[in-house]
Amino acid sequence: EIVLTQSPGTLSLSPGERATLSCRASQTVSSNFLTWYQQKPGQAPRLLIYGASSRATGIPDRFSGSGSGTDFTLTISRLEPEDFAVYYCQQYGSSPWTFGQGTKLEIK
Amino acid sequence: EVQLVQSGAEVKKPGESLNISCKGSGYSFTNYWIAWVRQMPGKGLEWMGIIYPGDSETRYSPSFQGQVTISADKSLSTAYLQWSSLKASDTAMYYCARLMVQGVMSFWGQGTLVTVSS
Repeated sequence: EIVLTQSPGTLSLSPGERATLSCRASQTVSSNFLTWYQQKPGQAPRLLIYGASSRATGIPDRFSGSGSGTDFTLTISRLEPEDFAVYYCQQYGSSPWTFGQGTKLEIK
Repeated sequence: EVQLVQSGAEVKKPGESLNISCKGSGYSFTNYWIAWVRQMPGKGLEWMGIIYPGDSETRYSPSFQGQVTISADKSLSTAYLQWSSLKASDTAMYYCARLMVQGVMSFWGQGTLVTVSS
């Protein structure tokens, strides 16, 4: 089973700043099959990025994904107030699909 | 518009059985895999398994194999998650999600909160 470790656990930033979230895999993620989801309190997760770098439909271009192999990054170029949430990475390159433990992005 | 509407919150006792549902609309239900994901209170997301409603092919995470049953009724455009004997540790929010491509959960239901307590 591939273990995904997200860092930092909590990221405190201000609106307008740049956020960089990391997801490291215990083994190579096949075909860079990695997604990022955003979850706000009391809501279901929302797909942001798939295939490590492809934005899902309707996702603003301030969100970008990069990386390959075992190291992946979600970047939010300029934080908007609605971006403060928990972010999860997930790999679907090998079964069982696994999620990282999440990074909480909070307002500083 | 693609929608997944899940059944309402449940409060059950240990040992009881339970069946929660996820009804799809706005797309061809038989042509897309449906996943189930668990979120225990204050915790992260865990993939439980998937089903292809077209032929009911099902795959489980080893962590959930034998603990739950995933099924679907394509005539009702509905997927199900079933327990035969609930435990307190089954207390969680359960989400269904439609896969865009294998592994990518593009549309999510609103979640069903299951509380198991004596």
